Amino acid sequence: AQSVTQLGSHVSVSEGALVLLRCNYSSSVPPYLFWYVQYPNQGLQLLLKYTSAATLVKGINGFEAEFKKSETSFHLTKPSAHMSDAAEYFCAVGSGGSYIPTFGRGTSLIVHP
Amino acid sequence: SQTIHQWPATLVQPVGSPLSLECTVEGTSNPNLYWYRQAAGRGLQLLFYSVGIGQISSEVPQNLSASRPQDRQFILSSKKLLLSDSGFYLCACPAGGTGETQYFGPGTRLLVL
Repeated sequence: AQSVTQLGSHVSVSEGALVLLRCNYSSSVPPYLFWYVQYPNQGLQLLLKYTSAATLVKGINGFEAEFKKSETSFHLTKPSAHMSDAAEYFCAVGSGGSYIPTFGRGTSLIVHP
Repeated sequence: SQTIHQWPATLVQPVGSPLSLECTVEGTSNPNLYWYRQAAGRGLQLLFYSVGIGQISSEVPQNLSASRPQDRQFILSSKKLLLSDSGFYLCACPAGGTGETQYFGPGTRLLVL
């Protein structure tokens, strides 16, 4: 069984500030982990994924995430927020065999000028 | 790479009316296909998935149904819509046809009045 918890349904930051979106997972097998971004009225796009290689994963648009097994976490960060980063972000976990990832409830990132 | 088309983009329907949403995929053959629903504040919910023509698995019991009449076509239907069916419906397939990285279509916004 697998599950994902995203802490905070909304995160608000100022433009230029650090972005930190939290994700904790539960999986009975070594997980595959994903972050997706969804802009208003669009489908989800893959930001980055972890598949048991390097624990620090770099994605598109300057985002990165670090896999911490001891904390069962996969938090998403970006050093400096842009207005264009305002969107919904989803964390997801897969198990490498089921081909059906489990998604978190999503975190809405709000960026203030 | 694959492309997912969803039709219509937006739909407003009265309670009790039927529903048919269409998803078609290009650029891959025999993909796994998925229907998700995104309702306000409830994240991404997997409704159905299909591993081939005529093969449908339901994840959530409800008044919706799905069909896969052709390899690259996935249809979501209802005989009588409920208010609670309102939401954003997303079709997805694994990147490359299999695996857990999901590639999403642009979505259909359904409002049931």
